[in-house]
Order: sequence, then structure tokens, then C-alpha cells
Amino acid sequence: DTGVSQDPRHKITKRGQNVTFRCDPISEHNRLYWYRQTLGQGPEFLTYFQNEAQLEKSRLLSDRFSAERPKGSFSTLEIQRTEQGDSAMYLCASSLGPINTGELFFGEGSRLTVL
Amino acid sequence: GQSLEQPSEVTAVEGAIVQINCTYQTSGFYGLSWYQQHDGGAPTFLSYNALDGLEETGRFSSFLSRSDSYGYLLLQELQMKDSASYFCAVKGGGSQGNLIFGKGTKLSVKP
Repeated sequence: DTGVSQDPRHKITKRGQNVTFRCDPISEHNRLYWYRQTLGQGPEFLTYFQNEAQLEKSRLLSDRFSAERPKGSFSTLEIQRTEQGDSAMYLCASSLGPINTGELFFGEGSRLTVL
Repeated sequence: GQSLEQPSEVTAVEGAIVQINCTYQTSGFYGLSWYQQHDGGAPTFLSYNALDGLEETGRFSSFLSRSDSYGYLLLQELQMKDSASYFCAVKGGGSQGNLIFGKGTKLSVKP
């Protein structure tokens, strides 16, 4: 049973550079979510997809952030012109349809450090 | 919008019982979830309450009172491996399609 996988697990970059994270959800899950988590805080919602359609974006998702799920399978989250405030853990999660039972399946996350 | 309040830290000893409370404010309520996250790990689902009352899953139980906008997670027979952060969460967002998480409660279990 393959869970949610994320790549890379760690990324260190200099301010102003672009970074891209990839998420592979559980294969039969049609919904995919991106969250951001900073130390000592809960996951903060960024955006989610149903198949290839992006259904909702948080106000946290500035225009430097873009997410795609082109074929309804894996997803990418790109951050352009990174800032030090972007340093965080970026978590991906998936679900089979709406989260009616309150359960999301999370990946281990991609930790971003912006110097 | 949605907001959730939970204590930031709780400390207990091995073998004891601990209760982690969560109060929420939400425009539409569908249920309360609980997640566990070990340092450096992924959040993992523990339980979900849609209706009032107590749900038991092994050493963990979760309670909901919709009239009080309140729930709690009860951990019994604490073990060292229970040291982790615990988050309550509700469905939220404009489409009610995602989960909104509290800031988490860091549980430290001492020998």
C-alpha cells in the first residue's frame, strides 16, 4: 500500500530563487490538498484539487505560489521569488472524495529553508 | 470563518490519563477530527465525531458536544510513544471541502 509521497523532502534555497515541490497521492484518491506548517503551528490550508480542477485557494496563497495537477494524478506546488517567510514544511494530503469522515492522508512533507 | 482553540502544551506521566480539549467556532459544522503528529512526521488521523457523544478506539477516545462547540481527545494508559502534537480540525473553507486545523497541543509523557 503506497501512501502519499512528496519530493524533495528537504530543500534549501536562496531568497529570490524558485522552488517546486511534487506530491504523488494515494493512487485511487481524486482529491489532493496542499498545506503549509510552521514550527509549533497546525497545518494551514493552501489549496485543493478534485481531479485536475483546482477547487479552492486560500488567501495565504499569494501570486508567487502556483499549484497544478495536470492529469489528475500528481501535483506540483511552485513558489517563485522565494522569501524567508516562505520557510516552512509543505504538506500534501489526499482523500477519496469529500472528507466526510474527517480523514486526510498526509505525506511526510517537503521542508523548505530560504536563506 | 472557522477558529479552533486548544491548549498549547500538556504534560503527563506514563500510565496516566490525559484530556486535550478543543473549542471551535465555525459557520457550518460537519464534525470534529483529531490528528496526531510526531516530531518530523506526518499528521495521522485518529478519530472523527459527527454526533454528540464518545467514540472509543483502543486507548484513545474522542468526545463531542455540538451544543457547546466543544470536544476532547482522551488518551488512557499513556505511553512514551504518545509524546506528540495533537490537532483538532473541522471542515472549512468557502466550499467546506478542506480541513481547518487548530494550532495543536504538544503532549509530553514523562517516565
